Amino acid sequence: DGGITQSPKYLFRKEGQNVTLSCEQNLNHDAMYWYRQDPGQGLRLIYYSQIVNDFQKGDIAEGYSVSREKKESFPLTVTSAQKNPTAFYLCASSTLAGVSYEQYFGPGTRLTVT
Amino acid sequence: GQSLEQPSEVTAVEGAIVQINCTYQTSGFYGLSWYQQHDGGAPTFLSYNALDGLEETGRFSSFLSRSDSYGYLLLQELQMKDSASYFCAVRVRSGGYQKVTFGIGTKLQVIP
Repeated sequence: DGGITQSPKYLFRKEGQNVTLSCEQNLNHDAMYWYRQDPGQGLRLIYYSQIVNDFQKGDIAEGYSVSREKKESFPLTVTSAQKNPTAFYLCASSTLAGVSYEQYFGPGTRLTVT
Repeated sequence: GQSLEQPSEVTAVEGAIVQINCTYQTSGFYGLSWYQQHDGGAPTFLSYNALDGLEETGRFSSFLSRSDSYGYLLLQELQMKDSASYFCAVRVRSGGYQKVTFGIGTKLQVIP
């Protein structure tokens, strides 16, 4: 089965610790994205990547970092510099061919920092 | 930057028709997408409009007017399982890249 996996589903961390969220896809998609969702809010773009070893800041990149060493993988690190890290994090991927650029989402990681 | 506006909540009766509007302000516009998200779940793609007009997929239809920077999602024959949040999203050119910006979502409640 092709799809996107994110792990873990729930993550708890103490304030001041960096934490890395995993995102893997086997859809052979070129583009990958990280979004943050807060209760009752839309999806806000953190980082995106359209090719290996290249990525772009989204609308709320401060306090986050990413890497894209492999086409299949796009891990997100939430650093201690992120002032309000508790949120639902969603990873997505899409092809860059075709028309719709439909994004396929993983199940998400719910991060709680106390 | 981009901005999108859509109603925060809509309530409709099972079996009825509901329209969720989306207006946007952006540059480098390519197209408008719609996604559905059930509570606690991941968003799933519903439709995409790059050109003016109506696209129909089963009970769902999506409309775009590029000149008015406006689109809507039409849900017909509403079912209880349609209770979810619906997001419009614009695909735009950003430098040499393309990115997608989502609206805040419309929470649809379908009542018996």
